[in-house]
Amino acid sequence: GENVEQHPSTLSVQEGDSAVIKCTYSDSASNYFPWYKQELGKRPQLIIDIRSNVGEKKDQRIAVTLNKTAKHFSLHITETQPEDSAVYFCAASRSGGSNYKLTFGKGTLLTVNP
Amino acid sequence: EPEVTQTPSHQVTQMGQEVILRCVPISNHLYFYWYRQILGQKVEFLVSFYNNEISEKSEIFDDQFSVERPDGSNFTLKIRSTKLEDSAMYFCASSAGGSSPLHFGNGTRLTVT
Repeated sequence: GENVEQHPSTLSVQEGDSAVIKCTYSDSASNYFPWYKQELGKRPQLIIDIRSNVGEKKDQRIAVTLNKTAKHFSLHITETQPEDSAVYFCAASRSGGSNYKLTFGKGTLLTVNP
Repeated sequence: EPEVTQTPSHQVTQMGQEVILRCVPISNHLYFYWYRQILGQKVEFLVSFYNNEISEKSEIFDDQFSVERPDGSNFTLKIRSTKLEDSAMYFCASSAGGSSPLHFGNGTRLTVT
């Protein structure tokens, strides 16, 4: 089955700096890669996703890049703010039909220091 | 914005008891899921459900687990005889199909004592 590795497990940055979180996946058939933000005790919330037919996607301060050959994808947050502090999870799946059997990484605790 | 709703938010039960976790997916969604997250760990897939049947399940989803869509709105997860290691946050999720994303509920924290 799919295996997703995520690094780093913790990341501390100063407000205004950029943050980068990296994930690798093992199943070359995976074609859908979402990123979720989870605040303490709350639901995972989708912040951005990318499908394997594109290499990069951007939404304001957040961007995701995908390298299918190397089987890795990354989340980039620019101009970080204290409210960006949370646990971020990457995930991968084969979305045949709409079957979202997501395999998650172990998460990155991002702390943005004011 | 429509949301996936889950009840209860917290369930405490004794080992060996049956529990039913309830979810109301977003109304026009067709695909339903249960995931769980043991405290401090990653989110894990349990089961997916479409067209009134299980479409896929993980090795975690053994004979002690079952899912049901008893009416047009609810989607339930039953654990027949709970174990201590079933203690976790259980998330229900749904999607509309096509390229629409997965939406998670707020979760039910299950504590087995």
